Amino acid sequence: GAGVSQSPSNKVTEKGKDVELRCDPISGHTALYWYRQSLGQGLEFLIYFQGNSAPDKSGLPSDRFSAERTGGSVSTLTIQRTQQEDSAVYLCASSFGGTYQETQYFGPGTRLLVL
Amino acid sequence: AQSVTQPDIHITVSEGASLELRCNYSYGATPYLFWYVQSPGQGLQLLLKYFSGDTLVQGIKGFEAEFKRSQSSFNLRKPSVHWSDAAEYFCAVGIMNRDDKIIFGKGTRLHILP
Repeated sequence: GAGVSQSPSNKVTEKGKDVELRCDPISGHTALYWYRQSLGQGLEFLIYFQGNSAPDKSGLPSDRFSAERTGGSVSTLTIQRTQQEDSAVYLCASSFGGTYQETQYFGPGTRLLVL
Repeated sequence: AQSVTQPDIHITVSEGASLELRCNYSYGATPYLFWYVQSPGQGLQLLLKYFSGDTLVQGIKGFEAEFKRSQSSFNLRKPSVHWSDAAEYFCAVGIMNRDDKIIFGKGTRLHILP
């Protein structure tokens, strides 16, 4: 069985451009998480999906960030009008259920560099 | 507010030496605790987790962790490290509320000397 996959693996963009990051969770996993990993900052929670709905959007840093999930599977994280401080590794994880007890399985991440 | 603290940003040990990575948490109730490892170029992988019961938890790759309520700690240990253990290690606490969030520490990067 395939693990969590993310694309692209690397993305370089110019300040002000929009970017889309994609996550394919493990088949059958209902919960999906997005995190941002900046140098020396650990993992910053961004958003959590249970099925297609997002009960917790509290981690999104600004209204430039949005995410959606369709068909209870693939998720897209969109960053509009990118800024240099958006440069980070964006990690996606999925779990079978959506509780704090569940093991999260992480993808390899998308490394975003905003010039 | 709930938080997770990993006091050591970097730790260097010699191959074959013992290892202890520190983790302290701040949470009002009994926490659900995790250790994840991020090897170079790879995604995070669960090493072990604690929910209840025996406070000494065994994980994969020869790691163990001990929950100490009195110290609000969940330190990760390994009796003899291997060069392949060089990685970044994250402690995390699961928050039991309507949001079911997991909060991660900032990580400890482990370096192994030959």
